[in-house]
Amino acid sequence: AQKVTQAQTEISVVEKEDVTLDCVYETRDTTYYLFWYKQPPSGELVFLIRRNSFDEQNEISGRYSWNFQKSTSSFNFTITASQVVDSAVYFCALSEGPGAGNNRKLIWGLGTSLAVNP
Amino acid sequence: KAGVTQTPRYLIKTRGQQVTLSCSPISGHRSVSWYQQTPGQGLQFLFEYFSETQRNKGNFPGRFSGRQFSNSRSEMNVSTLELGDSALYLCASSVRNTKGGNEQFFGPGTRLTVL
Repeated sequence: AQKVTQAQTEISVVEKEDVTLDCVYETRDTTYYLFWYKQPPSGELVFLIRRNSFDEQNEISGRYSWNFQKSTSSFNFTITASQVVDSAVYFCALSEGPGAGNNRKLIWGLGTSLAVNP
Repeated sequence: KAGVTQTPRYLIKTRGQQVTLSCSPISGHRSVSWYQQTPGQGLQFLFEYFSETQRNKGNFPGRFSGRQFSNSRSEMNVSTLELGDSALYLCASSVRNTKGGNEQFFGPGTRLTVL
């Protein structure tokens, strides 16, 4: 069965610190997709990244970077030089099977609440 | 372009009542998905509609139902409300992107409280 685990429930850092959010997944499929979403206090989920199981290349987008390692079934998310506006709940999610890239039916982790303090 | 809108934003009901939540997707988006978010269970997929047809369904009891109209607007209905149905209900619409996958955009949610 598929499962997403975000072991860190809450993280608190001081502005400008780097922070890594962990995500470990379980799936039996060879074709699957992994996602990260951000949920600020307003409640609206914001899509950050999608990665398919055949692409283990790490990705960097500004202060955000993602480390995908199939060997450890992990898809970790790092924020460099964190800012107060990064404070939010971050969710890792998985979709698998036919049409997995069409992230319509997602299995979610419970989220990591990140607080960045000034 | 307007984002996904959900109405109402907040709702208070009592046990046994029924409720209907509405979602208007981004213009041109034909797929609408619904999720329930609770502190204990996190985000859980309810169902997905495409062109007025339910295409995927999560593991929720039959009290939870939905439909989609010809203009892609969707409603979900919960009958015989239980205390445990108190949650944030999120709607997402999606469209195929240039890389062949779908990008999913979420609305602000409807906060349902069952007393």
